[in-house]
Amino acid sequence: AQKVTQAQTEISVVEKEDVTLDCVYETRDTTYYLFWYKQPPSGELVFLIRRNSFDEQNEISGRYSWNFQKSTSSFNFTITASQVVDSAVYFCALSGGIKAAGNKLTFGGGTRVLVKP
Amino acid sequence: DAGITQSPRHKVTETGTPVTLRCHQTENHRYMYWYRQDPGHGLRLIHYSYGVKDTDKGEVSDGYSVSRSKTEDFLLTLESATSSQTSVYFCAISGGAEQKETQYFGPGTRLLVL
Repeated sequence: AQKVTQAQTEISVVEKEDVTLDCVYETRDTTYYLFWYKQPPSGELVFLIRRNSFDEQNEISGRYSWNFQKSTSSFNFTITASQVVDSAVYFCALSGGIKAAGNKLTFGGGTRVLVKP
Repeated sequence: DAGITQSPRHKVTETGTPVTLRCHQTENHRYMYWYRQDPGHGLRLIHYSYGVKDTDKGEVSDGYSVSRSKTEDFLLTLESATSSQTSVYFCAISGGAEQKETQYFGPGTRLLVL
């Protein structure tokens, strides 16, 4: 069975501070995919990034960066110089891919980020 | 943004009544999913479809049924709604030519069962 744990339920920061969201996963699949989604107060789920298990290259995209470490089963997400618009709930998710029972997503419980001006 | 719509967006119903939620996509993606989101549980998979007339159960399928007669439409039915089915329901799609494993979500349907 797959499992995703986001130990931080809520993080509160002041604007321009950096925020790191932790995600730890468990899976028996040798090939798998990790995702981060953002859910702003308006309620929609916005896809942010996908990582394949065979690609441990970390990435920076603007103010967002991701740290994928297969050895520790972690896929952490950092927002640099946070802004009020970053206030949202962030979900980490895991799937075994299309070939593994329809690419079902297993979600973590989410981390609420509150950025204060 | 992926072309996914859900209808209705909000619904209030009474216990024991049937309810059908519709997910419609314009992306011609093969896979479609229904999730529910509840406080303290995150998002959980109810049912999914891997093609027309091909569906399977997810983690929390009891009390729900689905149908997919066309690629673009995936229906979720609560045969006899209960208060425990009060939730926000999200539809998702995947299977596009690029990044086929990535799921894109609809705007959600907020359902209240009284």
